[in-house]
Amino acid sequence: GAVVSQHPSWVICKSGTSVKIECRSLDFQATTMFWYRQFPKQSLMLMATSNEGSKATYEQGVEKDKFLINHASLTLSTLTVTSAHPEDSSFYICSAQPGQGRGYTFGSGTRLTVV
Amino acid sequence: SQQGEEDPQALSIQEGENATMNCSYKTSINNLQWYRQNSGRGLVHLILIRSNEREKHSGRLRVTLDTSKKSSSLLITASRAADTASYFCATDEIPAGNMLTFGGGTRLMVKP
Repeated sequence: GAVVSQHPSWVICKSGTSVKIECRSLDFQATTMFWYRQFPKQSLMLMATSNEGSKATYEQGVEKDKFLINHASLTLSTLTVTSAHPEDSSFYICSAQPGQGRGYTFGSGTRLTVV
Repeated sequence: SQQGEEDPQALSIQEGENATMNCSYKTSINNLQWYRQNSGRGLVHLILIRSNEREKHSGRLRVTLDTSKKSSSLLITASRAADTASYFCATDEIPAGNMLTFGGGTRLMVKP
């Protein structure tokens, strides 16, 4: 089945530093990837849609300069949390659709803790 | 953004019992999908039901869709302790944006 590999699974960083999260589609090409954020016991909130070869589309209220997205190839999208602050601590998940009309495949998520 | 509500928000049952979760949404959809999430993990796709389908089965899962009421239900029969997880519905809206909009989720606990 279609797999999206997300790394790292867990990261702790100091305030002010930047953290990069990678998502790779392992056995299919993903022209579009989706980045979500999830707070404890809450649902997923779409942050941005990453498009291969073009700029990402950000949801309202998401700072594009803070959450940098790069989708440089058909199998790799990255989310960089820049100048991280404790309020950025959250669970970040990516997903992609392996084919039209199919269910989406999600990465295993990255738990970011900013101290 | 969240499309709608899931009901109940939390459900606790005994092993062997059936679990029913409901989902409501607001817009017209291409399809509705159910996902499962174990604590601290990514989401796993369970089942997809298209807007022209009314019921779908997969193993112990049964999903219904009522587009006139903009609602769906997920039934897990003969639950097991391993079914303990959060369950989310997600809609693929019209016009097609190739994106999913999630409900708030139901936290299911199955007691052995």
